[in-house]
Amino acid sequence: EADIYQTPRYLVIGTGKKITLECSQTMGHDKMYWYQQDPGMELHLIHYSYGVNSTEKGDLSSESTVSRIRTEHFPLTLESARPSHTSQYLCASSVYSGRGNEQFFGPGTRLTVL
Amino acid sequence: LAKTTQPISMDSYEGQEVNITCSHNNIATNDYITWYQQFPSQGPRFIIQGYKTKVTNEVASLFIPADRKSSTLSLPRVSLSDTAVYYCLVGDRAGTALIFGKGTTLSVSS
Repeated sequence: EADIYQTPRYLVIGTGKKITLECSQTMGHDKMYWYQQDPGMELHLIHYSYGVNSTEKGDLSSESTVSRIRTEHFPLTLESARPSHTSQYLCASSVYSGRGNEQFFGPGTRLTVL
Repeated sequence: LAKTTQPISMDSYEGQEVNITCSHNNIATNDYITWYQQFPSQGPRFIIQGYKTKVTNEVASLFIPADRKSSTLSLPRVSLSDTAVYYCLVGDRAGTALIFGKGTTLSVSS
């Protein structure tokens, strides 16, 4: 099993607060990703990184920002949370193995903005 | 990035073989086809990846015709625990960011 961690698992906050969702992996993977998923809906890629100091926006426009200062750490920040940010946020990292290029997902952070 | 089209949902019974087909008409020469499985409240999990013809692992087979414009994920003898959403993705093997799409919700009944 892959070692990728997300904290917090659940977060309820008020509008206007600044929050940071943490994502860490201990596998040394260069590539990391953030997805947003509403219940029963598809995953949307919001940010990705191919390595330290590399960050790109995904296919879904997001008001969040990310940083990649260390290989193992890929935090996502919302400067001013709004109710429209309520969703599940999934972090992943990937590696090429004998099975192909495989993404490993964390358990997710379920965010509720009141 | 190539887009994919899958059926929204499928129903099956325990013990049956399930085949889920995905269309990817704009697949590029260096693109691979990957399938993921997702259970409620969890992140997706890698099932299988292939480039052409047939790939088989311990849980599934992947069939890709010569023109590579579609692919079929085959799950042999499904059980209730195979009830999940299955995503077909197309992208290069370097791990360039992938688009998940809506997926196929498979419901397995007893």
